[in-house]
Amino acid sequence: AQKITQTQPGMFVQEKEAVTLDCTYDTSDQSYGLFWYKQPSSGEMIFLIYQGSYDEQNATEGRYSLNFQKARKSANLVISASQLGDSAMYFCAMREGNNAGNMLTFGGGTRLMVKP
Amino acid sequence: KAGVTQTPRYLIKTRGQQVTLSCSPISGHRSVSWYQQTPGQGLQFLFEYFSETQRNKGNFPGRFSGRQFSNSRSEMNVSTLELGDSALYLCASSLQGAYEKLFFGSGTQLSVL
Repeated sequence: AQKITQTQPGMFVQEKEAVTLDCTYDTSDQSYGLFWYKQPSSGEMIFLIYQGSYDEQNATEGRYSLNFQKARKSANLVISASQLGDSAMYFCAMREGNNAGNMLTFGGGTRLMVKP
Repeated sequence: KAGVTQTPRYLIKTRGQQVTLSCSPISGHRSVSWYQQTPGQGLQFLFEYFSETQRNKGNFPGRFSGRQFSNSRSEMNVSTLELGDSALYLCASSLQGAYEKLFFGSGTQLSVL
């Protein structure tokens, strides 16, 4: 079974509107962390937001927020007020357990295109 | 503060050759990990080094190896290159490697002909 599933290969959003990128995960560990990264065409992976499995509140970082629904095993990324510079690939990733270090499992990604 | 630096940015090799990629982490970061990104397989974890010791290893053949130096800089080596090794190789660093942000470099694009 896929550990991280991103069901939206590509999405369009109008500039200044909000958009939600979906991510579901599968793990039997109680301790895990969920990440979202942005990858523009330059190739660099840019950290956006992190949610720990024991965090009670949804993480927020500026225009980014993570809608964490533990029972449903989903960790959707919400981008508010989309900008043209948000056009990129977005990856959801998970670190499982306490000994995983920086061993992340990534989803297949979602290509977001922001329309002017 | 300088980010994660990977060299070279682009590399072209032929089958059977070997290649070494370099990664300089953010100053003060002790954990360095490597990922391979291909259109078919996506992003896959290769290995992680912390204080010069390999801490985790992904499911890759022994042709893929790495090391970390005392200054935390890391190198990865691929021997006997195959066409399927063509990929973007990304290096990432963090302070300790647990429950932390992971910062990536821009990657090395390797093409095997």
